[in-house]
Amino acid sequence: KNEVEQSPQNLTAQEGEFITINCSYSVGISALHWLQQHPGGGIVSLFMLSSGKKKHGRLIATINIQEKHSSLHITASHPRDSAVYICAVLSNSGYALNFGKGTSLLVTP
Amino acid sequence: DAGVIQSPRHEVTEMGQEVTLRCKPISGHNSLFWYRQTMMRGLELLIYFNNNVPIDDSGMPEDRFSAKMPNASFSTLKIQPSEPRDSAVYFCASSLDIPYSNQPQHFGDGTRLSIL
Repeated sequence: KNEVEQSPQNLTAQEGEFITINCSYSVGISALHWLQQHPGGGIVSLFMLSSGKKKHGRLIATINIQEKHSSLHITASHPRDSAVYICAVLSNSGYALNFGKGTSLLVTP
Repeated sequence: DAGVIQSPRHEVTEMGQEVTLRCKPISGHNSLFWYRQTMMRGLELLIYFNNNVPIDDSGMPEDRFSAKMPNASFSTLKIQPSEPRDSAVYFCASSLDIPYSNQPQHFGDGTRLSIL
């Protein structure tokens, strides 16, 4: 069983909708990352957080350490948000990221 | 400021051939990671270097895979001989990091490898 589980696996939304992607993990962590990967492209780090909430533009990431759960929210979604969003955790005893399988998001006009 | 630079971007070769992937980390970063991404397994760590020394190579699939970091600005991942199941996207990432610290990792654009 993967230590990092994401849901949903695939998500289609209309432009303007509010989007939530969830990530659950089973190990103690020192940090959680949200990454974005566009088709055929590289991987970009969106957020790194270990507690609370972070906001960058229309993107918001939250984490609940006690529940071992994080969410990535996109407000007023746009077609350019279409990408794969990957949750990754850095365990307390580790140095390399442990990745979820990703959520493929398609935002239609 | 240049990011992590990987080459080549795409590689298509026949099975049995040697493949060499290259990575230049961000200047000043002392941790370097090689990851492999496949549809079935997602992203997986292959090997981690810290200060040019391999710390964890437990993710390297088998003896056909080898990685080196001869200096702080260059690393290679070699597959010899290559097999069709090695087809994947290989990412290099670097961070200004000591073990267990919370520095973000910066990814290269990846090398898309196809073994025919």
